[in-house]
Amino acid sequence: NAGVTQTPKFRILKIGQSMTLQCTQDMNHNYMYWYRQDPGMGLKLIYYSVGAGITDKGEVPNGYNVSRSTTEDFPLRLELAAPSQTSVYFCASRQGATDTQYFGPGTRLTVL
Amino acid sequence: QKEVEQNSGPLSVPEGAIASLNCTYSDRGSQSFFWYRQYSGKSPELIMFIYSNGDKEDGRFTAQLNKASQYVSLLIRDSQPSDSATYLCAVNWKKMKTSYDKVIFGPGTSLSVIP
Repeated sequence: NAGVTQTPKFRILKIGQSMTLQCTQDMNHNYMYWYRQDPGMGLKLIYYSVGAGITDKGEVPNGYNVSRSTTEDFPLRLELAAPSQTSVYFCASRQGATDTQYFGPGTRLTVL
Repeated sequence: QKEVEQNSGPLSVPEGAIASLNCTYSDRGSQSFFWYRQYSGKSPELIMFIYSNGDKEDGRFTAQLNKASQYVSLLIRDSQPSDSATYLCAVNWKKMKTSYDKVIFGPGTSLSVIP
């Protein structure tokens, strides 16, 4: 049981480049979340999904896009990367509305 | 704007003492409350969750919830150096009459347990 997996672990982007952060869970969870964590700060919610085909904005959605075509996958797309998007990105999933979240190992992104 | 507030710390306690971590939230409709521990460079890991007013104990950890005051706390008894980490408070927020349910985190409190 792999839980929540994220790829890549590390990435360096140049300003203006685009990339997709991958997130996959094998627990058949309905809810999936993307957070970013800046150094010394808490987690900020970017986007979340309550099921395949259903997504909603979080606290800091600007500059990002998501899709949820399957229960397992919830990719996060960065268009036109900016230095302000340098952060650690965590994906998480949970089964139901009152259940706990399980986190992936994170992706450390640097935009130069 | 739904908000979760925590004392940023750092909080330093001697080994064996009680560490008290506090969290307030702005949304009266929140139903689920979570405490996560995060070591430097690692993912958050769940310590406790609480849904009902009152206290909930699990080993050395006690979570306390007061919905009227919109206040959640975490007590760590007999603190150990291995408890040194950042503690994140998280609160769910659900849109009325929908399945939309998001979890918002506070900024975290850094705890240092001194041997």
